[in-house]
Amino acid sequence: NAGVTQTPKFQVLKTGQSMTLQCAQDMNHNSMYWYRQDPGMGLRLIYYSASEGTTDKGEVPNGYNVSRLNKREFSLRLESAAPSQTSVYFCASYRANTEAFFGQGTRLTVV
Amino acid sequence: QKEVEQNSGPLSVPEGAIASLNCTYSDRGSQSFFWYRQYSGKSPELIMFIYSNGDKEDGRFTAQLNKASQYVSLLIRDSQPSDSATYLCAVNRWDDSWGKFQFGAGTQVVVTP
Repeated sequence: NAGVTQTPKFQVLKTGQSMTLQCAQDMNHNSMYWYRQDPGMGLRLIYYSASEGTTDKGEVPNGYNVSRLNKREFSLRLESAAPSQTSVYFCASYRANTEAFFGQGTRLTVV
Repeated sequence: QKEVEQNSGPLSVPEGAIASLNCTYSDRGSQSFFWYRQYSGKSPELIMFIYSNGDKEDGRFTAQLNKASQYVSLLIRDSQPSDSATYLCAVNRWDDSWGKFQFGAGTQVVVTP
């Protein structure tokens, strides 16, 4: 019973490099989310996917793209990393009228 | 104004005492309310949720909701050192099958032996 699985757990990028954060859930949830967490700012929504085949911008989408590959997988891509994207990233999934389940997080540093 | 407001703390609580955490929200359409606990370097984990006005108890935790005042709180009774963490308040309104969660910045709780 894995729940929500994120990879990688840690990553260091140079400014301008690209990378994709992977997320998969095995709970058959329709909705999936990507958040970033910075000190003192709580969790801020980057992108979400209400259902397979749909994605939409959240509060802080600039510099990111997403793909909802299928019902299980929702990836987050940084095309040209910037130091301002240094953060902890969480993927979450959600079933209607219940809680959001979080992955273990990805700690990203952009130098 | 943030949509979900919490005192950042740290809230220092003696072991065995009651910790009281507060959260206010701005969206009157919010329909469900959650308290998550987050240990340093870990992901948030659900403590409890509440949908209706009043109190909801689960073990040492009690959530209180007042929709008219747009206020939700969490009480932790008999606080233990293991309760030392950041507590995130989240509110949600759902449209069809998905929910838009808004999180507060969190309150850090430190339980001192």
